Amino acid sequence: EAGVAQSPRYKIIEKRQSVAFWCNPISGHATLYWYQQILGQGPKLLIQFQNNGVVDDSQLPKDRFSAERLKGVDSTLKIQPAKLEDSAVYLCASSLARPLQETQYFGPGTRLLVL
Amino acid sequence: AQKVTQAQTEISVVEKEDVTLDCVYETRDTTYYLFWYKQPPSGELVFLIRRNSFDEQNEISGRYSWNFQKSTSSFNFTITASQVVDSAVYFCALSDNDMRFGAGTRLTVKP
Repeated sequence: EAGVAQSPRYKIIEKRQSVAFWCNPISGHATLYWYQQILGQGPKLLIQFQNNGVVDDSQLPKDRFSAERLKGVDSTLKIQPAKLEDSAVYLCASSLARPLQETQYFGPGTRLLVL
Repeated sequence: AQKVTQAQTEISVVEKEDVTLDCVYETRDTTYYLFWYKQPPSGELVFLIRRNSFDEQNEISGRYSWNFQKSTSSFNFTITASQVVDSAVYFCALSDNDMRFGAGTRLTVKP
């Protein structure tokens, strides 16, 4: 069974530029999560989707971050404009259903460096 | 408030030693889930175990074992006879109305 796929794996941009990350969850997984992991810290949940609807985006900095999952499968996370403090690894995870109750399986992450 | 504390920032052991990683959590909910994940240098989070709040039975899986004690709000993880391949950052996580990870414990196993 294929795992969670993410691209790109690495991205370097300058501050004030925009960037987008893509995630393809495990087949059949209804719930999708985006996390931000700053160096030396644990992952922080940004947003979770159930199919194509947002379940919780309370920790997403909505002035610059946006995410969508239009067809209930793939998802895109965008940052516009990026700030230096956005440098982090962005992790995507998926689970079968029932947000926060099922085991989440993580992708390899996208490592973002903002200069 | 929901909180996960992993007080040990870094642990270093020699191969074949046993090591215990501590995790203490706080939640107001009676139904919640606890997890342990391993993050090797490659960066991907690898699922190790999931436990719900109503199941306090300890679990053993090979060299890994977990001790869940609701009375002390702890969910500790023990590796028996550690190996170099166990070197990684280990995260404890709590899921109730939100998913929150601890800061992680970096385990280094030296040959």
